[in-house]
Parts: sequence; C-alpha cells; structure tokens
Amino acid sequence: DAGVTQSPTHLIKTRGQQVTLRCSPKSGHDTVSWYQQALGQGPQFIFQYYEEEERQRGNFPDRFSGHQFPNYSSELNVNALLLGDSALYLCASSRPAGSGGDTQYFGPGTRLTVL
Amino acid sequence: KNQVEQSPQSLIILEGKNCTLQCNYTVSPFSNLRWYKQDTGRGPVSLTIMTFSENTKSNGRYTATLDADTKQSSLHITASQLSDSASYICVVKTNTGFQKLVFGTGTRLLVSP
Repeated sequence: DAGVTQSPTHLIKTRGQQVTLRCSPKSGHDTVSWYQQALGQGPQFIFQYYEEEERQRGNFPDRFSGHQFPNYSSELNVNALLLGDSALYLCASSRPAGSGGDTQYFGPGTRLTVL
Repeated sequence: KNQVEQSPQSLIILEGKNCTLQCNYTVSPFSNLRWYKQDTGRGPVSLTIMTFSENTKSNGRYTATLDADTKQSSLHITASQLSDSASYICVVKTNTGFQKLVFGTGTRLLVSP
C-alpha cells in the first residue's frame, strides 16, 4: 500500500501564474481533504471532496478550486498566484463514512514557492 | 471560536531525556483528539487518538493523556531519540462547522546528542 501520494514534491511559480497539485488517496479511501500549511503554522483546511463533489470548504478565496476523479484522486488548482500562497500543501484521505475509523492519512505534501 | 493552543512553541532536550508537550483546546462539541508527528517538509503522521472517555493512550515511547473536563491534553515522550526531532501537532475533531479538524500550531522538538 503506497499510502497517500502527492505530486509534484516541489514547485516554483511566479505571481499571477496558475498551479495544479495532485493527490492519490490511500487504497480504500474515498474522501480527500486539502490543507495549506504556512511555515511554522498548523494546517488550514481548504476543502474536502467526496463522491467527486466539494463537500466542505474553508475560508479560502475562489482562486482555490479542486476536483475529484472517479478513482478518488484529486487535484487542487490555484489561480492568480500571490506571494502569500507560498506554503506546504497537504492532501489527506480517509475511509468511507461508517466504515469504522475516520483518521486522516496525510501525504508528504507539495512545497509551493511563489516568487 | 474553536481553538487549539500548544506549548511550548519549541523545545530542546538532550537525547535520552523525557519531555512533555501541552495542548489546551476550546473546541466544542468535542469528538476526539489526536497527536500528530510532522517531520520537516513532510505530512503529519498520527501518533495517538483519544475519545472523550479515554484518559491515556500509549504508542511505544509516546503517551498521551486527556482531561476532557479541563480540556487539556499532554504528550509525554520517554527516553527521547534523535529521530524524535519534529513538530508535534495537537488536533481536535468537532462534529460541527466546515472545519471538522482544528489544528494547533505545533511544538517544535529538537533532540540534541
């Protein structure tokens, strides 16, 4: 079991550009959540996807959007990048509701640097 | 407002020593509390999870305690090793609101040889 995987590992973009980050959940997991973690801070919830739909969303602008595919993998898209978007972006997956245990398993993250 | 506060912010200890990290929360309603270990530049890894009725939970050299009355938790690390150097994040789950998981900012632990 490969666990949660994310790509790319690191990414450097310039202000105004767009970026797409990818996540493959742990085998057997159908729910994917995305978090933004600034340096020295705890993760901040961006949104959660289940059954290919955005189920919940945190306090992030519409520049942050996502998608979930039929195989449960997910993408995070950020448009019109700002310097403040520089952070570690974490993807977490969890098991189907009612299956017992709701621990979120985190991927290694994608380090985004906006210049 | 749901918040999780951790102390100390950072800590340096000698290899082989014990240490205790603190977590205070105001999250309500409370579902469970987790401690995660996060190595630099990596994703968090779950160490322990405790529900309302559990007072203590161990995972090897890590022992977490929970006092649901005072809304406090601690993580005790015994006989520290260099590999324990990481950030330790306290996360409280609630069942309401858009963000079910409320994260603390973490305690940065450095174990020195």
